[in-house]
Amino acid sequence: ETGVTQSPTHLIKTRGQQVTLRCSSQSGHNTVSWYQQALGQGPQFIFQYYREEENGRGNFPPRFSGLQFPNYSSELNVNALELDDSALYLCASSFSGVNTGELFFGEGSRLTVL
Amino acid sequence: GNSVTQMEGPVTLSEEAFLTINCTYTATGYPSLFWYVQYPGEGLQLLLKATKADDKGSNKGFEATYRKETTSFHLEKGSVQVSDSAVYFCALLTSGTYKYIFGTGTRLKVLA
Repeated sequence: ETGVTQSPTHLIKTRGQQVTLRCSSQSGHNTVSWYQQALGQGPQFIFQYYREEENGRGNFPPRFSGLQFPNYSSELNVNALELDDSALYLCASSFSGVNTGELFFGEGSRLTVL
Repeated sequence: GNSVTQMEGPVTLSEEAFLTINCTYTATGYPSLFWYVQYPGEGLQLLLKATKADDKGSNKGFEATYRKETTSFHLEKGSVQVSDSAVYFCALLTSGTYKYIFGTGTRLKVLA
């Protein structure tokens, strides 16, 4: 069983640039969620995708957007990067048909904005 | 709104000491409660969970009991090991959603 994989693991951008982060969900999972974890903080919910549609969103501006593909992999896009966007971005997958509530997390992509 | 409050770390203990990490929550309805653990260099992974009042979640020697009257879900372990060194996150999940609310995390360091 393949776990959740994210890429890239680390990246550095400058203010105003755009970034795309990628996530492959765990085998058999059809739902992907993205979280932002600032240094010393807990993960904050960005949004969730199910069947290629966004079906839940946290308190993040529209410059945070995403996609889910037919194979359930996902992308997180952030436009017009700001210094405060520096964080660890976590992808988590789950299967909507089994209500265990458990999320399976990747190791994250650490973004630094200079 | 919904929220989770955890005791601040870091917590430093000697091997075989007793561990308690406090967690309280504010939520409407009847949330499910979780403890996730993040070992160095790894993603978060579920440690234990409880889905209703008075439920006790347990795993790897860790336990936590869902206390509705005190809105708490404290994590305990009777005898910690060096391998338990990690960051522990308390979280809640409200019914009908997949939006977890996480606490800020508590770093545990166990010394041999």
